[in-house]
Amino acid sequence: KAGVTQTPRYLIKTRGQQVTLSCSPISGHRSVSWYQQTPGQGLQFLFEYFSETQRNKGNFPGRFSGRQFSNSRSEMNVSTLELGDSALYLCASTQGRLGNEQFFGPGTRLTVL
Amino acid sequence: QQQVKQSPQSLIVQKGGISIINCAYENTAFDYFPWYQQFPGKGPALLIAIRPDVSEKKEGRFTISFNKSAKQFSLHIMDSQPGDSATYFCAANTNAGKSTFGDGTTLTVKP
Repeated sequence: KAGVTQTPRYLIKTRGQQVTLSCSPISGHRSVSWYQQTPGQGLQFLFEYFSETQRNKGNFPGRFSGRQFSNSRSEMNVSTLELGDSALYLCASTQGRLGNEQFFGPGTRLTVL
Repeated sequence: QQQVKQSPQSLIVQKGGISIINCAYENTAFDYFPWYQQFPGKGPALLIAIRPDVSEKKEGRFTISFNKSAKQFSLHIMDSQPGDSATYFCAANTNAGKSTFGDGTTLTVKP
């Protein structure tokens, strides 16, 4: 089975711009979660989608949003980028029902200049 | 509010030694406790996980010990190898798809 894929792997943006990151979960997995990883804050939960519905949400401002498509692929969007948004954005998929096992993708490294 | 506290922040162990990483949690609603291993440039990979109805789980050289009354759990890596050098994260879940992570432990195993 192919693992979780994320695109792009690296991204450089400037303050004020917006960005869209993409995640394709493992085939058959219906839940996709997004995390932000930074040296200072560690791994922080952004949100989780299951069957195209946001099921859980972390404590991030409204500039961070996401969505999930009918094929379980997910995108997250960050608008009005700030320097502090520079981070590794990780996507994880789970089967979403009884299983809690999360499988992470390699991440998208976002740098905001 | 940090709900999962992990220690130590860094750990240096000789090859063949035992590495021990500890975590403590606050929320008694957590019902799934995974450990992840992360190498530079990679996403975290699930190493081993435990549910609170079990006090210990072993998979190869990796063991989780769980103390429900103390709200603590730990990862033991037996016969540590240089290839185990990585960052380890404990986590706790209340439901599928949402993990609360510890701050991570950087493990260095010296040859």
